[in-house]
Amino acid sequence: NAGVMQNPRHLVRRRGQEARLRCSPMKGHSHVYWYRQLPEEGLKFMVYLQKENIIDESGMPKERFSAEFPKEGPSILRIQQVVRGDSAAYFCASSPSAHSDEAFFGQGTRLTVV
Amino acid sequence: DQQVKQNSPSLSVQEGRISILNCDYTNSMFDYFLWYKKYPAEGPTFLISISSIKDKNEDGRFTVFLNKSAKHLSLHIVPSQPGDSAVYFCAASDGNTGKLIFGQGTTLQVKP
Repeated sequence: NAGVMQNPRHLVRRRGQEARLRCSPMKGHSHVYWYRQLPEEGLKFMVYLQKENIIDESGMPKERFSAEFPKEGPSILRIQQVVRGDSAAYFCASSPSAHSDEAFFGQGTRLTVV
Repeated sequence: DQQVKQNSPSLSVQEGRISILNCDYTNSMFDYFLWYKKYPAEGPTFLISISSIKDKNEDGRFTVFLNKSAKHLSLHIVPSQPGDSAVYFCAASDGNTGKLIFGQGTTLQVKP
């Protein structure tokens, strides 16, 4: 049973470009969470999705950021018109339910904006 | 507003001794607490958790203690091993959505 798969592991974008981060949850997991870790900080919650639905997006910046978890395929975190401050590690976690201790994290995508 | 705080950025202990990592929280609505371990360039790995109705949970070398009146929890690792060297994150949840609020992390170094 493969773990949570995130790709790419590393992503470099120029300012103004778009970044697309993908997360394939573990088999049987229909709950996906995205977190962002800025340098020297802890992980900050961004968004919680179930299949085809955004449940909680209270941690998402109001502009340029969006997330989806379609019926088929991976969850996508999309950042439009990236700026240097978007450089961070983005982690995805998946869970079979909304209970925290069942969540497993992917290895993260490290976004660098140059 | 930092609802979960780990005030010690780093901790160094000798192999075989006890490591104690501390965490404080402000929101009394949190009902579940977790500790994660993280190596560089990897995702967090779940270690141990505790429900707010308990004050202690033990799993092998790892024990988590919860003091609700003080809004404080701690992770004890004994005996500490060099392979325990990593960043440890404390996290809290309200149990409804699975959303986690993380502390800033404590870097543990266990010296041989």
